[in-house]
Amino acid sequence: GQNIDQPTEMTATEGAIVQINCTYQTSGFNGLFWYQQHAGEAPTFLSYNVLDGLEEKGRFSSFLSRSKGYSYLLLKELQMKDSASYLCAVFNAGNNRKLIWGLGTSLAVNP
Amino acid sequence: EPEVTQTPSHQVTQMGQEVILRCVPISNHLYFYWYRQILGQKVEFLVSFYNNEISEKSEIFDDQFSVERPDGSNFTLKIRSTKLEDSAMYFCASFAGTSGYEQYFGPGTRLTVT
Repeated sequence: GQNIDQPTEMTATEGAIVQINCTYQTSGFNGLFWYQQHAGEAPTFLSYNVLDGLEEKGRFSSFLSRSKGYSYLLLKELQMKDSASYLCAVFNAGNNRKLIWGLGTSLAVNP
Repeated sequence: EPEVTQTPSHQVTQMGQEVILRCVPISNHLYFYWYRQILGQKVEFLVSFYNNEISEKSEIFDDQFSVERPDGSNFTLKIRSTKLEDSAMYFCASFAGTSGYEQYFGPGTRLTVT
């Protein structure tokens, strides 16, 4: 079956660092995406990992371990505008290139 | 920057009515998708479309649903007889398929069935 797990909710303080974890068990794997979604809006692309290791992009970094079926999104220097849901999605290039989504982690950044 | 557009932004309809949700994917993209997100729940895959035909559909995508690409630009999702449980945000996405890896999402259509 297909299973993607993320914590439901997290809370952090402005200026801090937060790590959002994602574990997956899927029948195919060609990469893992992180998307950000503000309430009532479409998901917007944050990062894509296909090889093991850390990808850094400004305040956001994403890590992947394929052998462990594990990824995390690291957000540094948190800002109030980072309050959103963070969605982990596995990409299966052989499966009509569709994304399989986790439930998302709702992050609240407090002053 | 090219973007996916969707119309309308909000559609209210009565149970049993037909609705058509419209999307204009990015022009040189080859793969098109519809996703659904019920309020407070996760994004769910509905259907993928490639080479003018459905390439995969989920269990949600039953006989009440259909997709079309009537011309070179539009991609539509039709729900023949809407049910209360069809109320959700519907997102269209497109993917180049020839390069890159990102699926680009439209802003969504909020469908409310009363």
